[in-house]
Amino acid sequence: EDKVVQSPLSLVVHEGDTVTLNCSYEVTNFRSLLWYKQEKKAPTFLFMLTSSGIEKKSGRLSSILDKKELSSILNITATQTGDSAIYLCAAVRGGGNKLTFGTGTQLKVEL
Amino acid sequence: DTAVSQTPKYLVTQMGNDKSIKCEQNLGHDTMYWYKQDSKKFLKIMFSYNNKELIINETVPNRFSPKSPDKAHLNLHINSLELGDSAVYFCASSQGTPGLNYGYTFGSGTRLTVV
Repeated sequence: EDKVVQSPLSLVVHEGDTVTLNCSYEVTNFRSLLWYKQEKKAPTFLFMLTSSGIEKKSGRLSSILDKKELSSILNITATQTGDSAIYLCAAVRGGGNKLTFGTGTQLKVEL
Repeated sequence: DTAVSQTPKYLVTQMGNDKSIKCEQNLGHDTMYWYKQDSKKFLKIMFSYNNKELIINETVPNRFSPKSPDKAHLNLHINSLELGDSAVYFCASSQGTPGLNYGYTFGSGTRLTVV
């Protein structure tokens, strides 16, 4: 069965800190890994990673995939209170439509 | 305009009742999904329909029955509700194959509480 594990489960930081969230996966015929941010309601799409070693960047957020280590990291620099959310990663296997989600990392950014 | 909309947003009901949740997407996507998010925030797929055809049916009690009257709608009917069914149910849609071109677009969720 496909499996995705995220760490840490929760994290509290101060504004301005840099955080790194981890995601590891065991997926048959892996195709890609996706990151989502979930605040109060629907998860919103952040990144899709398919190629190893290529960084995706959007403002203060960046992410990279390591296919050798079967893992990905999501970095957030100069954190703000608005970054407080649950960050979910999900893996997709080839030939399928199903996303297998990790349990998420709850990030809280304090003043 | 809301891309993926679910109704109702909140649903409180007694054990043993039958209830339905509706989902509509106006994105022109071919594939729609139901996911369940438990109290620990773990999101797990339940069903997926591609152009009205069931393509994913995970291990879900047969009290749960999805129905897709057309590719823009996917409803979820739950019979004989149990306390363990309490969760947030998310509808989602995708165009093409997720993980190849794009991810999902999620609805805002339906919080179901069974008392």
